[in-house]
Amino acid sequence: EIVLTQSPATLSLSPGERATLSCRASQSVSNYLAWYQQKPGQAPRLLIYDASNRATGIPARFSGSGFGTDFTLTISSLEPEDFAVYYCQQRSNWPPELFTFGPGTKVDIK
Amino acid sequence: QVQLQESGPGLVKPSETLSLTCTVSGGSVTSGSYYWSWIRQPPGKGLEWIGCIYYSGSTKYNPSLKSRVTISVDTSKNQFSLKLNSVAAADTAVYYCAGGIGYQDYWGQGPLVTVSS
Repeated sequence: EIVLTQSPATLSLSPGERATLSCRASQSVSNYLAWYQQKPGQAPRLLIYDASNRATGIPARFSGSGFGTDFTLTISSLEPEDFAVYYCQQRSNWPPELFTFGPGTKVDIK
Repeated sequence: QVQLQESGPGLVKPSETLSLTCTVSGGSVTSGSYYWSWIRQPPGKGLEWIGCIYYSGSTKYNPSLKSRVTISVDTSKNQFSLKLNSVAAADTAVYYCAGGIGYQDYWGQGPLVTVSS
């Protein structure tokens, strides 16, 4: 079973700052990795799929990179609405056999 | 725009079966390459993928829940459903239905289901 770890657990930043979130897989997932944003009381929202592709309607300040076991979500300049929890997710190949989520990184206001 | 809506009891007794239904609007459960998932989130914790059903009808489950889970689809009602047997307090969570092609593009709002006597 592939395990995802995310770091840091919490990231305290100010609006306008750059956020860099990390997701590491216990074995290669190729580029089959997504990032989701979740705000309190809301369902998660897909931000990035296949490691680096922005989902429909996602602002350009969100970008993803990585391949294999190491992935990064970058928010170039934090807006007030970006303070939330971010989860990475991997899917095993296609068609998907199994999905797993990382434990999440909380981005809060410093 | 695809929209999803969960329905079902908010309270289930220990050892009984949790049953939820997800109604899909703005799209079809038989849409090519789509798959439909159930995901849960215990209060204050992270996300756990439960399983999914493909447009073809085949299913995949989280190995840790596989022995207790059944996901099915009703094409006449454009719905898919979750059954989780022999529930315990640890199954208390917000249960989301979700759908997409490669990942979960669309999500329901997610009802809280509490397991308690």
